[in-house]
Amino acid sequence: GQNIDQPTEMTATEGAIVQINCTYQTSGFNGLFWYQQHAGEAPTFLSYNVLDGLEEKGRFSSFLSRSKGYSYLLLKELQMKDSASYLCAVKAAGNKLTFGGGTRVLVKP
Amino acid sequence: DAGVIQSPRHEVTEMGQEVTLRCKPISGHDYLFWYRQTMMRGLELLIYFNNNVPIDDSGMPEDRFSAKMPNASFSTLKIQPSEPRDSAVYFCASSRGPSGANVLTFGAGSRLTVL
Repeated sequence: GQNIDQPTEMTATEGAIVQINCTYQTSGFNGLFWYQQHAGEAPTFLSYNVLDGLEEKGRFSSFLSRSKGYSYLLLKELQMKDSASYLCAVKAAGNKLTFGGGTRVLVKP
Repeated sequence: DAGVIQSPRHEVTEMGQEVTLRCKPISGHDYLFWYRQTMMRGLELLIYFNNNVPIDDSGMPEDRFSAKMPNASFSTLKIQPSEPRDSAVYFCASSRGPSGANVLTFGAGSRLTVL
């Protein structure tokens, strides 16, 4: 089975940096994804990691350590529109993607 | 590309009624997934198909739930009879190929309320 843990909620100030941690336990590993979900909308893809290290994409970066079962999503230069839930998801063998409970990020002016 | 298309967007029904949710995946995508999202349980995988064949239905809650994919461009999720605890947002998603990097694209979701 799989177990994915991430904090329930985080608050940060506009322009600041926030780091969302995700720890996972899985039998079989085929990659880790981060999705963004605004209230009332569908999840949308942010990043993918399969090898250890940092992937940078504009203001968003994602890090993976497979040996530690750990990932984080880093959001820099926070904007009000970044207020959303951020979902960590692990792909096991066979293309099955399992999601964590999500972290709700509230950006304050 | 129109993306993943789901219908209806909203459904309100009474306990005991049959509910059918529909999904049209992105053309060329050979994997289709049904997820359910609630505040309490988050986003749960119910079932997924590859080339119209169900691969893993271990997330389907019980026999009241059934899913079909008669062709590459259409899938249904049926609940019969519906119960209040089935109230949730049901998402359909599709992807191309089994590679780990292949990204799931989600539809807008069907919000189901069972009274």
